[in-house]
Amino acid sequence: DVKVTQSSRYLVKRTGEKVFLECVQDMDHENMFWYRQDPGLGLRLIYFSYDVKMKEKGDIPEGYSVSREKKERFSLILESASTNQTSMYLCASSSPGEGYQPQHFGDGTRLSIL
Amino acid sequence: DQQVKQNSPSLSVQEGRISILNCDYTNSMFDYFLWYKKYPAEGPTFLISISSIKDKNEDGRFTVFLNKSAKHLSLHIVPSQPGDSAVYFCAAKLDSNYQLIWGAGTKLIIKP
Repeated sequence: DVKVTQSSRYLVKRTGEKVFLECVQDMDHENMFWYRQDPGLGLRLIYFSYDVKMKEKGDIPEGYSVSREKKERFSLILESASTNQTSMYLCASSSPGEGYQPQHFGDGTRLSIL
Repeated sequence: DQQVKQNSPSLSVQEGRISILNCDYTNSMFDYFLWYKKYPAEGPTFLISISSIKDKNEDGRFTVFLNKSAKHLSLHIVPSQPGDSAVYFCAAKLDSNYQLIWGAGTKLIIKP
């Protein structure tokens, strides 16, 4: 079974802090994704990566950056946290291939910015 | 501009009956449609997919129907069980693109 592990389930930070969210997958997947989930809005893609050191902006990249130095690890960075970044953050991974390859999700990090 | 819409925030169904979750989309370039299920405090898990060239896909108790002319898909769960109580997300994929476009989700409650 694919396992996607997010480093924290709950995190509380202060406005202006630099925040790191870590995600590790154990299935050698090329693709990794960061989403945020807010009530009534579904999942919105922040960034994704299709290879080590490669990244693509998603729908809402402002205020975030990412790092993928190793295939199994994808980090999301909030450069200067703001209260409107309080949300549930979900990491996912998938393999490329024909048709649709399901994304496998971690259990999420609920981040509160005070 | 919401390209994938789930218009029902919640749905309540009696155990043993059929649950029907609906999803509408606007972009004709989507090549796959997916359903994911999410329990509280867990990440979404993949449930079932359908290619845009098909109109039905079945997997056990779960069937997805695609009506391309109406730009509408639905997920049927028969029979509904208490463990099916969860939030169900509809999502769509653009051809040659890894990104998914997600609906807002429908909370399904199965009553005993």
